[in-house]
Amino acid sequence: NAGVTQTPKFRILKIGQSMTLQCTQDMNHNYMYWYRQDPGMGLKLIYYSVGAGITDKGEVPNGYNVSRSTTEDFPLRLELAAPSQTSVYFCASSSDSYTEAFFGQGTRLTVV
Amino acid sequence: DAKTTQPPSMDCAEGRAANLPCNHSTISGNEYVYWYRQIHSQGPQYIIHGLKNNETNEMASLIITEDRKSSTLILPHATLRDTAVYYCISMGPTSGTYKYIFGTGTRLKVLA
Repeated sequence: NAGVTQTPKFRILKIGQSMTLQCTQDMNHNYMYWYRQDPGMGLKLIYYSVGAGITDKGEVPNGYNVSRSTTEDFPLRLELAAPSQTSVYFCASSSDSYTEAFFGQGTRLTVV
Repeated sequence: DAKTTQPPSMDCAEGRAANLPCNHSTISGNEYVYWYRQIHSQGPQYIIHGLKNNETNEMASLIITEDRKSSTLILPHATLRDTAVYYCISMGPTSGTYKYIFGTGTRLKVLA
């Protein structure tokens, strides 16, 4: 199994540009999550989803959008990139509540 | 905000047991305690979780106090590869869903 796959691994964006961070999992998990991690800090939850068609805001949703049209995919959209969105982004999935979450290897995003 | 409190850093000699404490004094009766670790800038890795009984797996042991207000993660024979940031998370139903909220964790350094 590939687990949770994130693309791209690295990206540099200019201020005002938009992009989509891709996340896909092949474990048929219902729950999926997006986190960001700033240097030296813990992970902050951006959005999460408990199944296809259902998404909800986390701790820091401003400036981001998500969709969940399939069980496998949970893309994160940045519409107008800002320097404050420079961070490492992690996607994760879990089969259900009370079960372990599996994380991807992250996308390192720099906005200049 | 994270509902757990951990020391920011700890050192442990290689081959000795590493005991990582966590305070979760506001934990509710249906919330579990989870432990994850993050090595370098990789995605977090699940270690163990428990509700009120002590738990053990191939990686670690989890000791939860009887009042459930604190817990200790034990790595029985720490190696250099256990150097990482360790996160303690309490999680349970919030408005019918579950979501991992990370704090800043404990940075464990295993010394040769």
